[in-house]
Amino acid sequence: EVQLVESGGGLVQPGGSLRLSCAASGFTFSIYWMSWVRQAPGKGLEWVANIKQDGSEKYYVDSVKGRFTISRDNAKNSLYLQMNSLRAEDTAVYYCASLSSSGWELDYWGQGTLVTVSS
Amino acid sequence: SYELTQPLSVSVALGQTARITCGGNNIGTKNVHWYQQKPGQAPVLVIYRDSNRPSGIPERFSGSNSGNTATLTISRAQAGDEADYYCQVWDSSTGVFGGGTKLTVL
Repeated sequence: EVQLVESGGGLVQPGGSLRLSCAASGFTFSIYWMSWVRQAPGKGLEWVANIKQDGSEKYYVDSVKGRFTISRDNAKNSLYLQMNSLRAEDTAVYYCASLSSSGWELDYWGQGTLVTVSS
Repeated sequence: SYELTQPLSVSVALGQTARITCGGNNIGTKNVHWYQQKPGQAPVLVIYRDSNRPSGIPERFSGSNSGNTATLTISRAQAGDEADYYCQVWDSSTGVFGGGTKLTVL
């Protein structure tokens, strides 16, 4: 059974940093692109970042470029999102998701972890 | 940047057919994916690459994509289909979601 389990969310002050983790199991993590997607309270889904299987390619939504860094450790079957210079508008549930190799649909999702940026 | 437009809400009578649209410039040239999200839960993929159903998704869910509009069709709507639905595409390796449509089953 495919499982994606996010952790690391919490309350952080504006300007602070947080590192999210996503532990993957039940599939060959190293052969899949991975994504982070977020959802602000009461709002829709917003794609945040993608990373290639070997970490050699990374893509970000404009609003987080220069502040967030996506990374992975294939030996640990783990995906990460380092979030710096956090703003109130970064408050959201953050989901990790796997991208299928065929059509790049987000085929498996974690349950999400809540990040709250507030003083 | 590429944008996707969905109606805020769609209502359907129990047992009838609901259609949720997703508009975008020449969206027919892209692969469109659809996700269902129920309150307090993570999104679930219900249609991928325009018209394909993942295993476990009922045949009542179908999709089409042509021109400037992609459509998610839910036949014989059930109370359990009440949820938010999001369309999604990739544009130059960046992800784009529609704003989401709340489906109400009356």
